[in-house]
Amino acid sequence: NAGVTQTPKFRVLKTGQSMTLLCAQDMNHEYMYWYRQDPGMGLRLIHYSVGEGTTAKGEVPDGYNVSRLKKQNFLLGLESAAPSQTSVYFCASSYAGGANVLTFGAGSRLTVL
Amino acid sequence: DAKTTQPPSMDCAEGRAANLPCNHSTISGNEYVYWYRQIHSQGPQYIIHGLKNNETNEMASLIITEDRKSSTLILPHATLRDTAVYYCIVRFPTSGTYKYIFGTGTRLKVLA
Repeated sequence: NAGVTQTPKFRVLKTGQSMTLLCAQDMNHEYMYWYRQDPGMGLRLIHYSVGEGTTAKGEVPDGYNVSRLKKQNFLLGLESAAPSQTSVYFCASSYAGGANVLTFGAGSRLTVL
Repeated sequence: DAKTTQPPSMDCAEGRAANLPCNHSTISGNEYVYWYRQIHSQGPQYIIHGLKNNETNEMASLIITEDRKSSTLILPHATLRDTAVYYCIVRFPTSGTYKYIFGTGTRLKVLA
């Protein structure tokens, strides 16, 4: 049981390049989330999904797009990377009912030069 | 939106109990309080959650005041491995799911 797996773990981009972060969970969770964490800060919600085929904006959605074509996967895309998007990105998932305890991935460290 | 307030840092001697306070005065009646911790830059790790009653699991205890406006996370015998940033979180409903707002947390340092 792998839980929440994020790929890649590290990536360096040049300004203007595009990339996709993949989040995969094997717990059959309905909800999935993408957060970013900047140095010395808490986590901020970028986008989230309540089910396959549905996505919604969080607190800081600008510059990012997401897709959830399969229940187990949640993709975060950067179409034109900017230095301000240098951050550590965390994916999380949870069941829809009950206390919705979040399970987090190990994080993806992105540097935009 | 429900928000939480935590002290930015605390120290605790190894082997002693660590008591981490959290203020959540705007919590609504049916919302849970959650505690997570983050060691170095790893993904946040779930510790415990509660609604009204005090809770205990293998990692910690959670004491919630009767008016639910504050809570305390207790690590009964802190070890060096408990050095981490601890987040107290209250979720709030939005568009068919819940948002969890992470503040800057409490940086707990366990001293040998």
